[in-house]
Amino acid sequence: DAKTTQPNSMESNEEEPVHLPCNHSTISGTDYIHWYRQLPSQGPEYVIHGLTSNVNNRMASLAIAEDRKSSTLILHRATLRDAAVYYCILFNDMRFGAGTRLTVKP
Amino acid sequence: SAVISQKPSRDICQRGTSLTIQCQVDSQVTMMFWYRQQPGQSLTLIATANQGSEATYESGFVIDKFPISRPNLTFSTLTVSNMSPEDSSIYLCSVLPFRGEGRGARAYEQYFGPGTRLTVT
Repeated sequence: DAKTTQPNSMESNEEEPVHLPCNHSTISGTDYIHWYRQLPSQGPEYVIHGLTSNVNNRMASLAIAEDRKSSTLILHRATLRDAAVYYCILFNDMRFGAGTRLTVKP
Repeated sequence: SAVISQKPSRDICQRGTSLTIQCQVDSQVTMMFWYRQQPGQSLTLIATANQGSEATYESGFVIDKFPISRPNLTFSTLTVSNMSPEDSSIYLCSVLPFRGEGRGARAYEQYFGPGTRLTVT
């Protein structure tokens, strides 16, 4: 089984921020947290990754808890094109959990 | 990014037959994985394809059912043997470049192929 747990689904309104949580309570000290998303009828694509510090890129931000047992993917302004299934995985594990299906309402 | 192609893109096969799926990467990458994704489900890791040695299978997957070859760092095959309707799924290969690997790819980001949609009747 995957070492991460996420809510099955979340909804957001367009143009609003979205916070997607992930629990990884058994994470090891050297394990990176990776986030991927899968748009309908496509393979997964990389979003962001981090180890301890919060990370930002053009797609999203990643906030990592101080104890590293959880993290949150932040989409600052959700668009309809962000509707997808979002997965967090641990780099040393490579197994995907069920992910969170994000619905964005116009 | 790493460019990955898979063949075939889709196939419909009869129960009891076997299908070999090919995965080609445009540059040498050490880490390659095979996943399957059943309709409406998440991805399930089948195995890590190791160059020059036997693949490392996840729990529930065995070499007799899913033999994997990795003759070099740009190519791998996954065979689905003695198929049953339960094997109907999308099969995806992916690569994870290390630093210095992958033409234009970012290290430690996993890149996925387009998938092979298999239907077993």
